[in-house]
Amino acid sequence: QITLKESGPTLVKPTQTLTLTCSFSGFSLSTRDVGVGWVRQPPGKALEWLALIYWDDDERYSPSLKTRLTITKDTSKNQVFLTMNNMDPVDTATYYCAHSTTTVGPFDQWGQGTLVTVSS
Amino acid sequence: QSVVTQPPSASGTPGQRVTISCSGSSSNIGSNFVFWYQQLPGTAPKLLIYRNDQRPSGVPDRFSGSKSGTSASLAISGLRSEDEADYYCATWDNSLSGSWVFGGGTKLTVL
Repeated sequence: QITLKESGPTLVKPTQTLTLTCSFSGFSLSTRDVGVGWVRQPPGKALEWLALIYWDDDERYSPSLKTRLTITKDTSKNQVFLTMNNMDPVDTATYYCAHSTTTVGPFDQWGQGTLVTVSS
Repeated sequence: QSVVTQPPSASGTPGQRVTISCSGSSSNIGSNFVFWYQQLPGTAPKLLIYRNDQRPSGVPDRFSGSKSGTSASLAISGLRSEDEADYYCATWDNSLSGSWVFGGGTKLTVL
């Protein structure tokens, strides 16, 4: 059974850097074709893809946010990290991590999400 | 503004068949698979359809997906009250360096 859970600060100030952790079980990021991605959803708005990292360290980023994002993984600890710098109130959203495979496609299993509010 | 477009709302009565459209272009839907997600109120999204028309195990066969050219559709037959949710399509877009893109979402109301 695949499970994912996001953790990190619930409140960050404008201009600060956000670091989120996705802790998962039921799969390994050393397994071929497996990836973990991040998706966010501002309150009342649509889903937005942010980044995805694959088993072979291939990293993909949303072009519109690429300069602000870094995705990394710790395979031994079953964790994926997302950092987003220069946070702004418009970045207030629920941030989800999700399991992906190149065989099925993106985001076949999701974490519960974590709400991050950007405010001074 | 997403590069793939969905109607903001749809509705139907119990037992009806409803369809939700997802319109894109040759750089996304026209050349890549389409995925559909269901988001029940207050919960995380759930994969409903992958690779245009495939259902993950556990998804009822009342849900079906199709794709033609630069558009895709999600059909829900035998509509039930528990189907009231937001539905999102997603696909890969080949422009720039490539990215996953979601539609703006369709809120389905069961009348």
